[in-house]
Amino acid sequence: AAGVIQSPRHLIKEKRETATLKCYPIPRHDTVYWYQQGPGQDPQFLISFYEKMQSDKGSIPDRFSAQQFSDYHSELNMSSLELGDSALYFCASSSVRDGLINYGYTFGSGTRLTVV
Amino acid sequence: DAKTTQPNSMESNEEEPVHLPCNHSTISGTDYIHWYRQLPSQGPEYVIHGLTSNVNNRMASLAIAEDRKSSTLILHRATLRDAAVYYCILIPPDTGNQFYFGTGTSLTVIP
Repeated sequence: AAGVIQSPRHLIKEKRETATLKCYPIPRHDTVYWYQQGPGQDPQFLISFYEKMQSDKGSIPDRFSAQQFSDYHSELNMSSLELGDSALYFCASSSVRDGLINYGYTFGSGTRLTVV
Repeated sequence: DAKTTQPNSMESNEEEPVHLPCNHSTISGTDYIHWYRQLPSQGPEYVIHGLTSNVNNRMASLAIAEDRKSSTLILHRATLRDAAVYYCILIPPDTGNQFYFGTGTSLTVIP
């Protein structure tokens, strides 16, 4: 079965550079969530989208922005990167049409961002 | 937002049952109780979820207290591949709302 695809898997950037992370949800899933997980920490919610509109926002820095496109994939844009942005970034998808109570959320394998 | 409390770590012998507890005393009436697990450097993996009744699937069982203020994830026969961090998460039914992972329980399986 198709899973949530994230790209790239690994990314190395220098301070003050920009990065774009991509998330391709499971086909027919209309909701995407982004999480950040620092070393030894639990995942922290960044932002979510439903039907291409932002639905909830967490502790996402102003330097970050995200959007969901017409094909439901989502991109997380990160500018003026700082050393503290080094983390694993996960996205998850779900679907209202499939009935949330019937399925859990499916997470991608994540993008490991290293800022040097 | 409703939060969960889990023990930081637990150990189990291989092929023995494991009961992972979770307290969620501030759960709302519509929150679903989800369990996910995460292996090192991998994305969280869905395990099971429920609302009021106990649930079983091929991976595990979920026992929910009658007052819904606590739940227990049951792995019937722990294997080495079950060693992971297990998160108990409360998720509202409305899609798109954020949900919190909490600190999770790190499960060690002893051969």
